Amino acid sequence: NAGVTQTPKFQVLKTGQSMTLQCAQDMNHEYMSWYRQDPGMGLRLIHYSVGAGITDQGEVPNGYNVSRSTTEDFPLRLLSAAPSQTSVYFCASSYPGLRVGNYGYTFGSGTRLTVV
Amino acid sequence: GQQLNQSPQSMFIQEGEDVSMNCTSSSIFNTWLWYKQEPGEGPVLLIALYKAGELTSNGRLTAQFGITRKDSFLNISASIPSDVGIYFCAGQKRTQGGSEKLVFGKGTKLTVNP
Repeated sequence: NAGVTQTPKFQVLKTGQSMTLQCAQDMNHEYMSWYRQDPGMGLRLIHYSVGAGITDQGEVPNGYNVSRSTTEDFPLRLLSAAPSQTSVYFCASSYPGLRVGNYGYTFGSGTRLTVV
Repeated sequence: GQQLNQSPQSMFIQEGEDVSMNCTSSSIFNTWLWYKQEPGEGPVLLIALYKAGELTSNGRLTAQFGITRKDSFLNISASIPSDVGIYFCAGQKRTQGGSEKLVFGKGTKLTVNP
């Protein structure tokens, strides 16, 4: 059981370049999210999805696009990378509902992105 | 946006000491979660709390969901070197649209000296 898989693990981009961060989960989770982690800032929500075909903005969505065509995949796109987007990006997934046994989000191991 | 105030920001302790950290919020949450993050990895869930007043243990870890639903604490007893990492609290609640989001504290960085 792979859980949440993120690729690539590391990436260096030049300002203005575009790229897609991949996220896939094999747990049949309906909820998927993207967070960015910056020193002293904790984890901030970029975009999230409650199911295939449904996405919504989080706390810091500017400069990022997402889509959810399947339950398994939730890619994050940077259309024109900026140095301010240098960060560590985490994808997470979860079952819906706040019932006992829904153990919060499962996180991937992260993508470390540097924009120069 | 919603804020979780997590304290302390960092702790330097000796092996064997007990550790306590907490999170407070101005908002009510239905679930409180505590995560640990080790270098180069994503956060891993330690404890989940679902009811106000709930006290839950996981080995040497104990966490409580505050009665007001606006706070939670995590205690680690008899710390060991492998407890090193960043500990995050997170609050979860259902939005008006029916979806659920996690709001994270900024983390407590724990260093344990052998």
